[in-house]
Amino acid sequence: SQTIHQWPATLVQPVGSPLSLECTVEGTSNPNLYWYRQAAGRGLQLLFYSVGIGQISSEVPQNLSASRPQDRQFILSSKKLLLSDSGFYLCAWTGGRRFGETQYFGPGTRLLVL
Amino acid sequence: GENVEQHPSTLSVQEGDSAVIKCTYSDSASNYFPWYKQELGKRPQLIIDIRSNVGEKKDQRIAVTLNKTAKHFSLHITETQPEDSAVYFCAASSPNTGNQFYFGTGTSLTVIP
Repeated sequence: SQTIHQWPATLVQPVGSPLSLECTVEGTSNPNLYWYRQAAGRGLQLLFYSVGIGQISSEVPQNLSASRPQDRQFILSSKKLLLSDSGFYLCAWTGGRRFGETQYFGPGTRLLVL
Repeated sequence: GENVEQHPSTLSVQEGDSAVIKCTYSDSASNYFPWYKQELGKRPQLIIDIRSNVGEKKDQRIAVTLNKTAKHFSLHITETQPEDSAVYFCAASSPNTGNQFYFGTGTSLTVIP
């Protein structure tokens, strides 16, 4: 069966520091991968999605970037964090073989920028 | 692109009553509509989904209906229980927008014992 991992689970970082969040998927190949951010008490904001290695689509211009160095690995980065980057970061995947594939979420990373 | 609207934003019901959450979408090509439940501090979990080739789907106390003509779909929870209290999100995906999912803004459901 498929499993999605995210780490770290929680992170407290000072403003201006760099960020690296990692997501990996097991049990499938060539998945579509997504990064979402959820501010406290708010909805899901799509940040990036990827249909393959090295293919990244950005939904919101900001100080974040994403990379997909391997088929089942998706990384979210920042060179300098802002206070507004605080939130719950969720990685998600679909099978990618056809439209209408179910999307599953990872356990998330809770980021607090101080 | 697709635009998904969700109502109400908050909903309180007595235990045992029914709850209904409604979503509308704008892209008539959207063909997949999942519903997620998110408990406090946890990830969204898929609870039910429907594809555009059916009008209704039921799983125990949960059902989803889809009206393609009106471009709206609804989540129905019957015989609500306190453990149903959570935030519920609807979503839509369309072949026109590749592999993106468009989410509603969420409904906070409280079931009062």
